[in-house]
Amino acid sequence: EDQVTQSPEALRLQEGESSSLNCSYTVSGLRGLFWYRQDPGKGPEFLFTLYSAGEEKEKERLKATLTKKESFLHITAPKPEDSATYLCAVQSAGNMLTFGGGTRLMVKP
Amino acid sequence: DSGVTQTPKHLITATGQRVTLRCSPRSGDLSVYWYQQSLDQGLQFLIQYYNGEERAKGNILERFSAQQFPDLHSELNLSSLELGDSALYFCASSFGTENIQYFGAGTRLSVL
Repeated sequence: EDQVTQSPEALRLQEGESSSLNCSYTVSGLRGLFWYRQDPGKGPEFLFTLYSAGEEKEKERLKATLTKKESFLHITAPKPEDSATYLCAVQSAGNMLTFGGGTRLMVKP
Repeated sequence: DSGVTQTPKHLITATGQRVTLRCSPRSGDLSVYWYQQSLDQGLQFLIQYYNGEERAKGNILERFSAQQFPDLHSELNLSSLELGDSALYFCASSFGTENIQYFGAGTRLSVL
């Protein structure tokens, strides 16, 4: 059974204070690792897909990396508008996504 | 806007009732997925349809059923509702079965 664990559950940062979110996973046959952003009361918004260890992707202040056991979402110089819940999910042979519990990020001005 | 449309946005009903949630996928997408998000369980996969046929099942209760119609929209039917069924229900769509899934805004179900 695929498992995804995200840490920390919640993270408070000051504006400009860089940090990383962790996503550890156990999966039989990884087809893709996905990062989504979810704002309160809204659906998850796609950020990145990573397919193989060593792969990195960047978008504005966000950078996602992947190893064989975990993924990191690095946030550089965050702004208050980056406040959201960040979800990590893995896709294996079954095609469905298995999500972690998410990291709730709060960035204070 | 992801292009995935879910209706209604909110639904309030009583225990024992039956409701239907509707999802219109992004134009051109053939796969539709249903997920349930509750505070204690996080986002859980329920069921997937691809071009009208059931493709995968997750932790979907027997009281729940879904279908995908020829125009590719999908409906999730929830019956004999219990208090514990109160949650956000999301629909997602993708072009194929392994592509990026784009999520709708969800339907918030409250069972009183």
